Amino acid sequence: GDKVKQSPSALSLQEGTNSALRCNFSIAATTVQWFLQNPRGSLINLFYLVPGTKENGRLKSAFDSKESYSTLHIRDAQLEDSGTYFCAAEGSNMGYKLTFGTGTSLLVDP
Amino acid sequence: EAAVTQSPRSKVAVTGGKVTLSCHQTNNHDYMYWYRQDTGHGLRLIHYSYVADSTEKGDIPDGYKASRPSQENFSLILELASLSQTAVYFCASSDALGRSSYEQYFGPGTRLTVL
Repeated sequence: GDKVKQSPSALSLQEGTNSALRCNFSIAATTVQWFLQNPRGSLINLFYLVPGTKENGRLKSAFDSKESYSTLHIRDAQLEDSGTYFCAAEGSNMGYKLTFGTGTSLLVDP
Repeated sequence: EAAVTQSPRSKVAVTGGKVTLSCHQTNNHDYMYWYRQDTGHGLRLIHYSYVADSTEKGDIPDGYKASRPSQENFSLILELASLSQTAVYFCASSDALGRSSYEQYFGPGTRLTVL
């Protein structure tokens, strides 16, 4: 089965609204990274997390290693937030390798 | 600012031909990685390296070889390209501390089409 499960798989938001994306892990994740793949295909680093939370502007992310999940909250969504969001986990005893989820495709409408 | 570049940015290859994808980083990072992304999916790890002249198999290494001639350069080689290897390929680099890596920084990707 999938080691990193993302939900939802797709999401449509109106500009100015809030939402939350989630990743559940079936591996013992030690660190988590969140990326945005923009419409041009580039992968943009959003967060690198050890257990805990981080905030950057309208984005906030949390990683709970004991409960094996991570969340990404988007506040006041803007058109430029559209794209595909990926989480990726590094697992204990797996070396310096990331396992990616299958992504959440986000479309922000005016 | 992290800098990972890839060449070529796109390539069309014939089935059975040899393809070499190149990656260069100026981050002074020890670790480098090659991933592939298929349409509508996440990234999957093909090969990685933590030191020059050494490479390791990732999760899907079959049909691919890798070469790390220097800290800055990491190549992915398809000796006999097949239709199933049509994908977008991403290179990444990261530093490492103890048993946990720092964040990975990705190149812009190479779109490979095998006909």
